[in-house]
Amino acid sequence: DSGVTQTPKHLITATGQRVTLRCSPRSGDLSVYWYQQSLDQGLQFLIQYYNGEERAKGNILERFSAQQFPDLHSELNLSSLELGDSALYFCASSVGVGLSYEQYFGPGTRLTVT
Amino acid sequence: AQSVTQPDIHITVSEGASLELRCNYSYGATPYLFWYVQSPGQGLQLLLKYFSGDTLVQGIKGFEAEFKRSQSSFNLRKPSVHWSDAAEYFCAVGAVTTDSWGKLQFGAGTQVVVTP
Repeated sequence: DSGVTQTPKHLITATGQRVTLRCSPRSGDLSVYWYQQSLDQGLQFLIQYYNGEERAKGNILERFSAQQFPDLHSELNLSSLELGDSALYFCASSVGVGLSYEQYFGPGTRLTVT
Repeated sequence: AQSVTQPDIHITVSEGASLELRCNYSYGATPYLFWYVQSPGQGLQLLLKYFSGDTLVQGIKGFEAEFKRSQSSFNLRKPSVHWSDAAEYFCAVGAVTTDSWGKLQFGAGTQVVVTP
């Protein structure tokens, strides 16, 4: 158990809908990262927040948005869902902002868009 | 363009045999290098990392990796594989720049199957 929690574990929804994925980082961690793992694209970095502020951005679609709240939990919002958005979404957390800090991964949320 | 390549999609190895997983990267500067393992239904766990210094790094679970700058490689090895090592292994690289603080770029992964 990494100490990172993600809810829900599974999510099934229809095309065009909007969903919110939630992540609680390990106690004391200030950075939160979101990754998408799909058969087509592999494991891709989406976005990083540090203490409430966006710090790095990857291949995140405009239909997707994220935020980190004052209590440091983070939410990833996916809207106008398409079949291709079906994937495993991981959240990770670390103490600091750079790569020298180990990223601890949560168990993921499996999103199925039908 | 920056890239991370894991040439082997799938490897089958006998329990007790040695294992080597290949990773090649293409980056502008010396990157930070990582190996992660993903067991079925689990998140990723860091096995080891290389930032600088000794090019042979030791990790958890008996794994080690060697950074070879001339070959742009960071191969993962284990002398004797256990059945519990069956998993998917990902090589990842990252650069330390102000606009990519925590950004990791992952390879496609290598699935390791361990036979009795």
